[in-house]
Amino acid sequence: GAGVSQSPSNKVTEKGKDVELRCDPISGHTALYWYRQSLGQGLEFLIYFQGNSAPDKSGLPSDRFSAERTGGSVSTLTIQRTQQEDSAVYLCASSLAAAQETQYFGPGTRLLVL
Amino acid sequence: SQQGEEDPQALSIQEGENATMNCSYKTSINNLQWYRQNSGRGLVHLILIRSNEREKHSGRLRVTLDTSKKSSSLLITASRAADTASYFCATGRGAQKLVFGQGTRLTINP
Repeated sequence: GAGVSQSPSNKVTEKGKDVELRCDPISGHTALYWYRQSLGQGLEFLIYFQGNSAPDKSGLPSDRFSAERTGGSVSTLTIQRTQQEDSAVYLCASSLAAAQETQYFGPGTRLLVL
Repeated sequence: SQQGEEDPQALSIQEGENATMNCSYKTSINNLQWYRQNSGRGLVHLILIRSNEREKHSGRLRVTLDTSKKSSSLLITASRAADTASYFCATGRGAQKLVFGQGTRLTINP
């Protein structure tokens, strides 16, 4: 079956612009996660959605970052007023249910802020 | 902040040899997972070991977990060129966020 998909694969933007990154989880997976991978910080958790519960936003680095998940499926991560330090690979993952610990990752979006 | 630390940071071996990577972590966990990443993109889940398990096998992979030492090891036997990748351990509590180590970059030389 189809895995987690993300779009775009690559995004180049200018400092100060807003960007939207999209994640399509595996069908039927109720849990969705965003992570960021950068050279200096490794892999960092950003935000977690589980069903209709309030998301865990504890990993978002600043209020310029936000995410939503519509209809319990597709998720969009928005970065406002991008900064050069936002350059990273943004990875999305999904898992079957709250009790399912294996997370399946998408290919990521490589963001470069000039 | 990173929970786990992998050791070594980089490992280069000949094809056919075994590769061993280690991971240490700091807090109590429910499970520990190993992932592989090729070319800095998506992570592929390899194996999950629960806190009440000590050893687990999957094909050429063998994972051990020592909760008293807060450490785990990943052994890849009879390595192949296709095993060249970065390997990450990640600790989890339930279904929430995974906390990753910095990874081991493994190179298999033909």
